[in-house]
Amino acid sequence: QIQLVQSGPELKKPGESVKISCKASGYTFTDYAMHWVKQAPGKGLKWMGWINTYTGKPTYADDFKGRFVFSLEASASTANLQISNLKNEDTATYFCARSGLAVDYWGQGVMVTVSS
Amino acid sequence: DVVMTQTPVSLPVSLGGQASISCRSSQSLVHSNGNTYLHWYLQKPGQSPQLLIYRVSNRFSGVPDRFSGSGSGTDFTLKISRVEPEDLGDYYCLQSTHFPFTFGSGTKLEIK
Repeated sequence: QIQLVQSGPELKKPGESVKISCKASGYTFTDYAMHWVKQAPGKGLKWMGWINTYTGKPTYADDFKGRFVFSLEASASTANLQISNLKNEDTATYFCARSGLAVDYWGQGVMVTVSS
Repeated sequence: DVVMTQTPVSLPVSLGGQASISCRSSQSLVHSNGNTYLHWYLQKPGQSPQLLIYRVSNRFSGVPDRFSGSGSGTDFTLKISRVEPEDLGDYYCLQSTHFPFTFGSGTKLEIK
């Protein structure tokens, strides 16, 4: 069955960096793009962008240009999200999700807490 | 950006009753290829969102027929009939016709 398994929770200080991973299984990784979605505590969903898993080309929503990097380890069917120079407002759960019929299958989410 | 206005914010329902959620977009969601990329999700407490309806009215794999989607252009509706306890949570619409993709602000379905 199709699964997206994300890495574990992270506790970071402001100014640090974090890299979270999303390992896909149950389908051909390079056939479907991967989205990233942010959910701040108690808030709604915000689309961050996506990465073409065949070409590796990322597309970022405006609010996520600069400090956010989408990358791939295609041989390991894994998509990564790196956030640099972390700020308090980056505290959120980050989801990866496959681009199929819609944004169809989702990872379980990674809670990133930024606190001094 | 396309603004997705979702109403109501909170929706108290009785078990076995019916619920209706509205999602309106600030511009037409009809793509140049003729498809309309409006989808509905349910996020149960402590879980990741799950796809219910894709492209306005198509139920995703395993979704009960109690869930139905309708609408066109800028005006869309999700209906849930015979509400069950497992239906409780936050519902979101998502448009993927225009970049950037945008979500509605969510509707919390709760027991009356």
